[in-house]
Amino acid sequence: GAVVSQHPSWVICKSGTSVKIECRSLDFQATTMFWYRQFPKQSLMLMATSNEGSKATYEQGVEKDKFLINHASLTLSTLTVTSAHPEDSSFYICSAQGQGNEQYFGPGTRLTVT
Amino acid sequence: AQSVSQHNHHVILSEAASLELGCNYSYGGTVNLFWYVQYPGQHLQLLLKYFSGDPLVKGIKGFEAEFIKSKFSFNLRKPSVQWSDTAEYFCAVSPKAAGNKLTFGGGTRVLVKP
Repeated sequence: GAVVSQHPSWVICKSGTSVKIECRSLDFQATTMFWYRQFPKQSLMLMATSNEGSKATYEQGVEKDKFLINHASLTLSTLTVTSAHPEDSSFYICSAQGQGNEQYFGPGTRLTVT
Repeated sequence: AQSVSQHNHHVILSEAASLELGCNYSYGGTVNLFWYVQYPGQHLQLLLKYFSGDPLVKGIKGFEAEFIKSKFSFNLRKPSVQWSDTAEYFCAVSPKAAGNKLTFGGGTRVLVKP
């Protein structure tokens, strides 16, 4: 149980375009999901907390207008990288909070902006 | 803001050797503590967690960790490693007052030689 999926697993886009990444909890409901960013050979950095039915809470230094988060249902949160630039290239990972405050992580999405 | 430091970036050891990975955090309040593992090509998985109670926590796959409050440490141990323990290990901290937001350490890459 407690499986989290992400789609797509890898995406390449051109500079200036927008990309949407989906995070789904497959067998449980998650009122809270988290979005992380991981640079090569570095740790995960929390970008934002996504709450179902309300606005996301962004960490300091994360542009909310660039990284749009929508948590429309108890099993789906989306992260849209708007007007992507090469510096946005990274590995984006989501997690969904299950029972007992445990976070279950998705497999990640590798974004490459050319 | 809290921070988490993992002292070793890379560890190489032989099968059957003992493993200890250091983790220290800086935060003045009470925290929940976690160790996650990321096997090559896979997503983050929870090894063990500490919320309260016995400071010696046992997790999956023979791992354990000890919370020493006075030292702000949560070191991970395994008495005898296997080749399959080759992975990256992340320590994470979540202040109880921070709504389950995780701050990760930089990670330790462990290579177990057969």
